[in-house]
Amino acid sequence: GAVVSQHPSWVICKSGTSVKIECRSLDFQATTMFWYRQFPKQSLMLMATSNEGSKATYEQGVEKDKFLINHASLTLSTLTVTSAHPEDSSFYICSVPTSGAQETQYFGPGTRLLVL
Amino acid sequence: AQTVTQSQPEMSVQEAETVTLSCTYDTSENNYYLFWYKQPPSRQMILVIRQEAYKQQNATENRFSVNFQKAAKSFSLKISDSQLGDTAMYFCAFILVGTDKLIFGTGTRLQVFP
Repeated sequence: GAVVSQHPSWVICKSGTSVKIECRSLDFQATTMFWYRQFPKQSLMLMATSNEGSKATYEQGVEKDKFLINHASLTLSTLTVTSAHPEDSSFYICSVPTSGAQETQYFGPGTRLLVL
Repeated sequence: AQTVTQSQPEMSVQEAETVTLSCTYDTSENNYYLFWYKQPPSRQMILVIRQEAYKQQNATENRFSVNFQKAAKSFSLKISDSQLGDTAMYFCAFILVGTDKLIFGTGTRLQVFP
């Protein structure tokens, strides 16, 4: 399966600052990547689909101006949480699908964000 | 709309024993994939096993096997010879062929005791 990395693994920031999270597919070129959010003891919630060469597709209720996604290359997608607030504190996970979206998704190790 | 239901919030099993985690799903479509993912305390999501809906044969990966009942829309995971390292949150997931959305259940927390 695909090997996926995320950076940073955890970050603490002050309210009002912006935080960028990187997702890299290390051994697979991905025209699509997915960003999820997970609250403690809950399941994963899809936030958006990152598309290489075009705009990201956001799920209903996810603010696109709040969560900026840039799919810079076939191996890199970034999620920027703009003007972060304590309620944005969460665990953010990216995934890379192999052989098209309907095939298996492999997940990055996640990024824990704490906004003070 | 497609949904995935895991009715067991928590399960426990003794080391070396067998445990079965339940999952049911709802869809009117015929072509889809089903997955079990494991999330240990590190929170890394790890693929455990995958099943194509068009295959009648149940998928098996070493100590992990599924009981896929398409008509009943059931997809349970059996873990044989449980090990301490199997302690984790287990998520059942579903994706329709031709879509890009992986739909997760709420998860089952499995604790393996020595």
